[in-house]
Amino acid sequence: NAGVMQNPRHLVRRRGQEARLRCSPMKGHSHVYWYRQLPEEGLKFMVYLQKENIIDESGMPKERFSAEFPKEGPSILRIQQVVRGDSAAYFCASSLRTGENTEAFFGQGTRLTVV
Amino acid sequence: RKEVEQDPGPFNVPEGATVAFNCTYSNSASQSFFWYRQDCRKEPKLLMSVYSSGNEDGRFTAQLNRASQYISLLIRDSKLSDSATYLCVVNHSGAGSYQLTFGKGTKLSVIP
Repeated sequence: NAGVMQNPRHLVRRRGQEARLRCSPMKGHSHVYWYRQLPEEGLKFMVYLQKENIIDESGMPKERFSAEFPKEGPSILRIQQVVRGDSAAYFCASSLRTGENTEAFFGQGTRLTVV
Repeated sequence: RKEVEQDPGPFNVPEGATVAFNCTYSNSASQSFFWYRQDCRKEPKLLMSVYSSGNEDGRFTAQLNRASQYISLLIRDSKLSDSATYLCVVNHSGAGSYQLTFGKGTKLSVIP
């Protein structure tokens, strides 16, 4: 049973380009979360999705960032017109359910570098 | 006040030592508590959940004090492989959402 798969592992973009980060949850998991970790900082919640639905996007920047989790295929975190401050590690996690003591499993992350 | 606060360390301890990490959280409605471990440039991995009655997993013991909003992790007989950053994590589900809030982590280096 493969874990949470993220690709690419490393992504370099020039300022103004678009970045697309992909996440395939663990088999059977329908809950997906995206987190961002800036250098020397803790992980910050961005968005929580279930299949075809955004449940909570309270951690998403208001502009340039969007996320989806289509019926078929991986979850996508999309960053338009990237800026240097977007450089970070982006982690995706998935869980089988939500609620007390639910374990979330993390992917290996995508390290985005904006040059 | 930050939602989850930890001493960033680093804690440099010799092999075999006992080391304790503390964490405080601000949201009294938090429901679930965890310790995750993160190795350098890797993803966080669950170390253990933390239960109100306290729980132990081998050399690791976790305690929760809801009244003081305080969580602890004790590592006995430290191994070199325990060197990592330990993340205190709390969850509060509400309005149908599920969010994990992470502390910045406490860095541990176990020295030969």
